[in-house]
Amino acid sequence: SAVISQKPSRDICQRGTSLTIQCQVDSQVTMMFWYRQQPGQSLTLIATANQGSEATYESGFVIDKFPISRPNLTFSTLTVSNMSPEDSSIYLCSGRSSETEAFFGQGTRLTVV
Amino acid sequence: RKEVEQDPGPFNVPEGATVAFNCTYSNSASQSFFWYRQDCRKEPKLLMSVYSSGNEDGRFTAQLNRASQYISLLIRDSKLSDSATYLCVVSVFNKFYFGSGTKLNVKP
Repeated sequence: SAVISQKPSRDICQRGTSLTIQCQVDSQVTMMFWYRQQPGQSLTLIATANQGSEATYESGFVIDKFPISRPNLTFSTLTVSNMSPEDSSIYLCSGRSSETEAFFGQGTRLTVV
Repeated sequence: RKEVEQDPGPFNVPEGATVAFNCTYSNSASQSFFWYRQDCRKEPKLLMSVYSSGNEDGRFTAQLNRASQYISLLIRDSKLSDSATYLCVVSVFNKFYFGSGTKLNVKP
């Protein structure tokens, strides 16, 4: 499967600031997704990153809080905006093509203080 | 209602034991099914896909029952290295939904 490089791997941020997470895939993928995994929890889908158009957000997630870009088939960013301590979590990007397996970036461990 | 429900765990078993995990899904339009493994502080990685006919990969056997919307994973002859969290994953209209995970601890 393809390899996703995700960065930063971790960050500690002040409340009220924003952080942009990047994912670069080593090959073109049809679909890219962003997940959040809070401590001790499973993965929750935030949104589908659509190439060249606005992302599709799941219930409970909005563009103003989590703007997403996907300028091409190998790259996407997620911004966590106006952060609060409740945003402390691991954020993971994922890629897949058709019904094949999903593969993941290494995750970004975010702590908001 | 959650898309995917899993056994809560944790499962604490001795080496060599056989252990089974179960999972149910709510959306009958679900198209593909997987088991992922997640080690502590690591990203999830595919363990195996799950097919209606059932499939086996070494010590691991996965089963799917579409009528009951039920997925299972059987691990035989558990190894210490099998200790991890096992995630049941369902694909619905190209989106992956994850169960809460079942933690397995294999002890010497």
